[in-house]
Amino acid sequence: AQSVTQLGSHVSVSEGALVLLRCNYSSSVPPYLFWYVQYPNQGLQLLLKYTSAATLVKGINGFEAEFKKSETSFHLTKPSAHMSDAAEYFCAVSESSASKIIFGSGTRLSIRP
Amino acid sequence: KAGVTQTPRYLIKTRGQQVTLSCSPISGHRSVSWYQQTPGQGLQFLFEYFSETQRNKGNFPGRFSGRQFSNSRSEMNVSTLELGDSALYLCASSDTGGPYEQYFGPGTRLTVT
Repeated sequence: AQSVTQLGSHVSVSEGALVLLRCNYSSSVPPYLFWYVQYPNQGLQLLLKYTSAATLVKGINGFEAEFKKSETSFHLTKPSAHMSDAAEYFCAVSESSASKIIFGSGTRLSIRP
Repeated sequence: KAGVTQTPRYLIKTRGQQVTLSCSPISGHRSVSWYQQTPGQGLQFLFEYFSETQRNKGNFPGRFSGRQFSNSRSEMNVSTLELGDSALYLCASSDTGGPYEQYFGPGTRLTVT
């Protein structure tokens, strides 16, 4: 069965610092992996997705993630945090293009001035 | 293009009642998925409809049901509401179905008293 573990329910970084949000997955087949962002009182917005092409995936708003099969990880990074990055971030996995998405428990990102 | 719209945005119901939520996908999208988001359980997949057929289903009781119309608009119904059904209900649409490029609506906040 597929699953996702996000390490750290809350991450706080200073403005301009590196953002690193951790995600590990479990899947019996090559997975599709996603990062979504949710701002308060809004739905989810897709940041980026991995679908077995390049292992380094670039997304919107300067975010990127690297698929590491040996570590079963798909960590999200951004070189320099902005105040506008404060939100909830969800890592998700799916085992096929027509499968349901399994979401992680989410990581709330706070940015300190 | 207009985004995914969900109505109503907020709803208060009493235990034992039933409720119907509506989702209008992005024009041209044939797949609609529904998710329940709660602080305790996080984001959980309810079901997916593609071209008026239920294609995937999550692990929810039969009180939760849905349907999709020929114009791709979808409704979900919850009968015999319980306090634990209080949640943010999100729908997402995509043109091909499955997890590719799912676009989420703002959600319907259901409160059961």
